[in-house]
Amino acid sequence: EVQLVESGGGLVQPGGSLRLSCAASGFTFSSYEMNWVRQAPGKGLEWVSYISSSGSTIYYADSVKGRFTISRDNAKNSLYLQMNSLRAEDTAVYYCARTSLIVVYYFDYWGQGTLVTVSS
Amino acid sequence: NFMLTQPHSVSESPGKTVTISCTGSSGSIASNYVQWYQQRPGSAPTTVIYEDNQRPSGVPDRFSGSIDSSSNSASLTISGLKTEDEADYYCQSYDSSNHRGVFGGGTKLTVL
Repeated sequence: EVQLVESGGGLVQPGGSLRLSCAASGFTFSSYEMNWVRQAPGKGLEWVSYISSSGSTIYYADSVKGRFTISRDNAKNSLYLQMNSLRAEDTAVYYCARTSLIVVYYFDYWGQGTLVTVSS
Repeated sequence: NFMLTQPHSVSESPGKTVTISCTGSSGSIASNYVQWYQQRPGSAPTTVIYEDNQRPSGVPDRFSGSIDSSSNSASLTISGLKTEDEADYYCQSYDSSNHRGVFGGGTKLTVL
């Protein structure tokens, strides 16, 4: 059974940093591209970042480029999101999502999400 | 940048059919596949349609997807509405010009 479990969320002050993790199981993690998608309270879904299966190709949404860094450790079956210079508008539930092997940017499995709150 | 626009909300009665639209801002929506996700309160999204019109196993055939190139839009149609279909629905695709995922703003479906 495919499982994605996010962790690392919490309350952080504006300008602070946080590192999210996503532990993957039930599939060959190293074969799949991965993403982070976020959802602000009461708002819609927003794609945040993509990383290729090897980690060699990375893309970001304009809203986080230069502040967030996506990475992965295939030996540990883990995906990460380092978030720096956090702003109030980064407050959201952050989901890790697996990209399907059959369709570009089709997110076929999602984690349950971890809440990040940026507030003083 | 490529954007997807959905109606904010739709409502229909149980047993009826509802269609949710998703309109592309530019280019051709048919250039990349469209997915539809269902999200119930407090839960992660789940797929109801992928690759424009494919249903994952376990999704009832009451759910169907289509593309209309003439209007540059995708549609999700749910027939035989049930109260359990009440949820937020998001269309999603890919902007190949800048390698970014794109979501529509979401549509709240009320079944009453």
